[in-house]
Amino acid sequence: AQKITQTQPGMFVQEKEAVTLDCTYDTSDPSYGLFWYKQPSSGEMIFLIYQGSYDQQNATEGRYSLNFQKARKSANLVISASQLGDSAMYFCAMREAFSGNTPLVFGKGTRLSVIA
Amino acid sequence: EAQVTQNPRYLITVTGKKLTVTCSQNMNHEYMSWYRQDPGLGLRQIYYSMNVEVTDKGDVPEGYKVSRKEKRNFPLILESPSPNQTSLYFCASSLAPGTSYNEQFFGPGTRLTVL
Repeated sequence: AQKITQTQPGMFVQEKEAVTLDCTYDTSDPSYGLFWYKQPSSGEMIFLIYQGSYDQQNATEGRYSLNFQKARKSANLVISASQLGDSAMYFCAMREAFSGNTPLVFGKGTRLSVIA
Repeated sequence: EAQVTQNPRYLITVTGKKLTVTCSQNMNHEYMSWYRQDPGLGLRQIYYSMNVEVTDKGDVPEGYKVSRKEKRNFPLILESPSPNQTSLYFCASSLAPGTSYNEQFFGPGTRLTVL
């Protein structure tokens, strides 16, 4: 069974600093994808970054990077140069690639607050 | 523009009054899914559909129905809503399972309150 664990209910970071949001996962499927989504107070789910289980390099998208450590089953999100607009809930999620129903299994989220 | 649309965005209703939340995608995706989001519980899957006329239960299907008569539409039906179905609902779509990159695209969410 899939499982995503986000151990930080809330985080604070100073504007312009970098912050790491933790995510560990558990799956027996060798093929899977890891996603991070941002949910601002308006409620929509915004896709940030993706990492495939076979990808050799860590994914990066602008100020977002994913620190993928496969052996440790961790997929931490790093946000560099935090901005006030980064204040939101962040969800780590995983989807197995080759099962019949491939729901996106979510962690419980981390609320990030960026302080000026 | 590629998108998933949901309607209504906000709904307040009363116990027992049947309602339908519509979901439509314009990306020709085979796979569609409904999630509900509750504080402290994250997002949980209600129902999913692998293709037209193919639907199945997710983790929390009780009290919900779905249909998939057309590829683009996947409505969520609450035959007799109850207060414990007060939640934020998301529809999502993606390509068929089996691809290595299968991001789910989310609709904007429907905030439902059942009194």
